[in-house]
Amino acid sequence: QLVLTQSPSASASLGASVKLTCTLSSGHSTYAIAWHHQQPEKGPRFLMKVSSDGSHNKGDGIPDRFSGSSSGAERYLTISSLQSEDEADYYCQTWGTGLHEVFGGGTKLTVL
Amino acid sequence: QLQLQESGPGLVKPSETLSLTCTVSGGSISSSRHYWGWIRQPPGKGLEWIGRIYYSGSTYYNPSLKSRVTISVDTSKNQFSLKLSSVTAADTAVYYCARQLGVYDSDYYMDVWGRGTTVTVSS
Repeated sequence: QLVLTQSPSASASLGASVKLTCTLSSGHSTYAIAWHHQQPEKGPRFLMKVSSDGSHNKGDGIPDRFSGSSSGAERYLTISSLQSEDEADYYCQTWGTGLHEVFGGGTKLTVL
Repeated sequence: QLQLQESGPGLVKPSETLSLTCTVSGGSISSSRHYWGWIRQPPGKGLEWIGRIYYSGSTYYNPSLKSRVTISVDTSKNQFSLKLSSVTAADTAVYYCARQLGVYDSDYYMDVWGRGTTVTVSS
């Protein structure tokens, strides 16, 4: 079964960096994922697709402060120079041939 | 700039059918590169993919909802729609429409989202 696991919460200080993790279930470690974020009371916004080799393709207008990487079954989203507007829920999402689209449970990022 | 806007009743009675429409502006729903999808988010919970449609009418549904879901497209109006039958309180959620990639490379992720519409199932 294709499952994505995310920590429920994370926090970091204004101006600092944070690395969020999304872990693919066993047998699916080569899958690509997409990162989306959802600011309070808003709809989600696509951030980037991250492939198993660590390459990433960002959505339109996503700042350079956002980057993606991979290691094994883990996919990462790193946000540098944290700003107050980065406080949001961050969801990873994946897909597979013959499988339907799946979301992780989300990580609530607090900017201190 | 592509925009998606959900519309439909905000209140649906239990056992009835939920019906929503997504209007696409700033681009064509007949794009050969894209699917058009529905995703929902129950109060205080995460996101759940419902299904997607291609402009030709081909559909793909989440197996957990497949027996109750119908997604259709109206290219003349640049709209696509969601119907969810036999609703219960568990179907109360914010419903989002989104553009999805994956037609050519099987990377089925959402790259443009609507702002969402809240649907409450209650008598």
